[in-house]
Amino acid sequence: DAGVIQSPRHEVTEMGQEVTLRCKPISGHNSLFWYRQTMMRGLELLIYFNNNVPIDDSGMPEDRFSAKMPNASFSTLKIQPSEPRDSAVYFCASSDGQVDEKLFFGSGTQLSVL
Amino acid sequence: GESVGLHLPTLSVQEGDNSIINCAYSNSASDYFIWYKQESGKGPQFIIDIRSNMDKRQGQRVTVLLNKTVKHLSLQIAATQPGDSAVYFCADIIGGSYIPTFGRGTSLIVHP
Repeated sequence: DAGVIQSPRHEVTEMGQEVTLRCKPISGHNSLFWYRQTMMRGLELLIYFNNNVPIDDSGMPEDRFSAKMPNASFSTLKIQPSEPRDSAVYFCASSDGQVDEKLFFGSGTQLSVL
Repeated sequence: GESVGLHLPTLSVQEGDNSIINCAYSNSASDYFIWYKQESGKGPQFIIDIRSNMDKRQGQRVTVLLNKTVKHLSLQIAATQPGDSAVYFCADIIGGSYIPTFGRGTSLIVHP
């Protein structure tokens, strides 16, 4: 398996623009997580899906952030409108909850909002 | 995992030495613990895990120790190599939950 695949690897955009981050989890994994990483706050959980259903979105900063998982092999995290303080590395991770709670992370998307 | 402020704790060691990275957790209901390694420009990568019914688990060159009495977790790396240089995170999961809580991480620097 290729692991968790995220795109794009880097995104530079201007304040106010819409940003869409994409994630393909490991095939067969039933849980998907979106994390944001900054030096100030470390790794923050944004949202957790189980069997494509959002279970915990308490970490989503505000209404500008939204996440979807239309099927078991694809998820998006959208920021609209983006702001400079959204600049961070965004990670997607998946796990096979039938086995254990071990997370497998993608390589992340480095987002810079100017 | 715990919050330790704005700056990552840093551990500097010489190649060949043993490294010990520590982590505290706060929730006594946590029953599963994981160590991750994050190299520059990459996502965190699983190293080793331990359940609360154990106090020690060994892997290849790594050992995790769990002290539930004081809610403390440590990762020991034997014969540390330059390739071990990375940020190391501990994560704990409360029983019945699938959501790990990550600590802030420790930066390990290995000098050749």
